Amino acid sequence: NAGVTQTPKFQVLKTGQSMTLQCAQDMNHEYMSWYRQDPGMGLRLIHYSVGAGITDQGEVPNGYNVSRSTTEDFPLRLLSAAPSQTSVYFCASSYSSTGETGNTIYFGEGSWLTVV
Amino acid sequence: GNSVTQMEGPVTLSEEAFLTINCTYTATGYPSLFWYVQYPGEGLQLLLKATKADDKGSNKGFEATYRKETTSFHLEKGSVQVSDSAVYFCALSDRGSQGNLIFGKGTKLSVKP
Repeated sequence: NAGVTQTPKFQVLKTGQSMTLQCAQDMNHEYMSWYRQDPGMGLRLIHYSVGAGITDQGEVPNGYNVSRSTTEDFPLRLLSAAPSQTSVYFCASSYSSTGETGNTIYFGEGSWLTVV
Repeated sequence: GNSVTQMEGPVTLSEEAFLTINCTYTATGYPSLFWYVQYPGEGLQLLLKATKADDKGSNKGFEATYRKETTSFHLEKGSVQVSDSAVYFCALSDRGSQGNLIFGKGTKLSVKP
């Protein structure tokens, strides 16, 4: 069972470069999201999607772009990387897009990004 | 707004010691509560959850009870092992958050043999 798959696992970027973090899930989940994890900050929501063609901003969306053209994929784009975007990024998915409580949210294994 | 507060770490215990990690929350509705665990170099795994008041979530010897009166969801384990060394995150979701999780800052647990 693949679950939620993120690539790449590690990446080093130079300031100003752009890149895309890939996320795919094979569970036919409507809901997908991206979080970043920083020391002492827990995880913070960047963007999320409640279904194909629908995206919305989370707590820390600046500098990131997303799209959801298929149910399976939810890529995160860094438009012009900055050192402040050095972080660990997690993609997540769950079955429901209605905000029902109690749904288990599944996480990918994370992508470690360093911007120099 | 909704928020989660969990005890600061790191927490260092000897093997077979009793573990408590405190978690309290603020929410406008009736949230579901979760504990996630992150082992070194890995992603987050759901450890346990509770969806309504007085529910007890349990898994791998860990337990947490949803206490609405004290807005708490403390994580406990009677006898920790070295393999329990990880970062533990308390989180909530409710209808207002559209199913998104709101996390505490995490508590790092180190268990010494």
